[in-house]
Amino acid sequence: GNSVTQMEGPVTLSEEAFLTINCTYTATGYPSLFWYVQYPGEGLQLLLKATKADDKGSNKGFEATYRKETTSFHLEKGSVQVSDSAVYFCALTPSGGSYIPTFGRGTSLIVHP
Amino acid sequence: NAGVTQTPKFQVLKTGQSMTLQCAQDMNHNSMYWYRQDPGMGLRLIYYSASEGTTDKGEVPNGYNVSRLNKREFSLRLESAAPSQTSVYFCASSEARTSGGYGYTFGSGTRLTVV
Repeated sequence: GNSVTQMEGPVTLSEEAFLTINCTYTATGYPSLFWYVQYPGEGLQLLLKATKADDKGSNKGFEATYRKETTSFHLEKGSVQVSDSAVYFCALTPSGGSYIPTFGRGTSLIVHP
Repeated sequence: NAGVTQTPKFQVLKTGQSMTLQCAQDMNHNSMYWYRQDPGMGLRLIYYSASEGTTDKGEVPNGYNVSRLNKREFSLRLESAAPSQTSVYFCASSEARTSGGYGYTFGSGTRLTVV
């Protein structure tokens, strides 16, 4: 079956530091890949996505590249802010069937001033 | 504002009581979903509705029922609440019908405590 593995958190950084949150996946075919962000007390929000190999998704300074050869979709940001503190979820949607996504367990990011 | 609206936002139930969580979306999405989120467990799919008139079980359907009332509304019912159903419940919708490239739009959640 499909699976998504994220690095365990929490990830603790100082403001303006470089962020990487690792995500690898197992799936057949060519799934679509997503990152969602959840701020405290809120639902998940779609942050970025990529639907085919070598695509780069980007939004709000965050980026992730769909790497088919390494089955990875790592999230990066060059300079984090305190307001980026949240839980980040990697997810995939299969390329066929019912398109039900598989979510990773989430990685908590804490950014200190 | 367009999106997914869930009610109520908070609820406390006694063991054995019943309740219905309401969800409505105004984006004309075909597919709707109910998830629960528990610490350390991530998101787990309870039920989903791929299109109006259809519903299917997800990963953890026991103790729940759903109704896709129309294209906009998808409700989740707990017939006899148990402490193990204490959780945060999220409704989501998606245009996913011919492609997996659409993301989800989530509601803000219902925080349910069963005592």
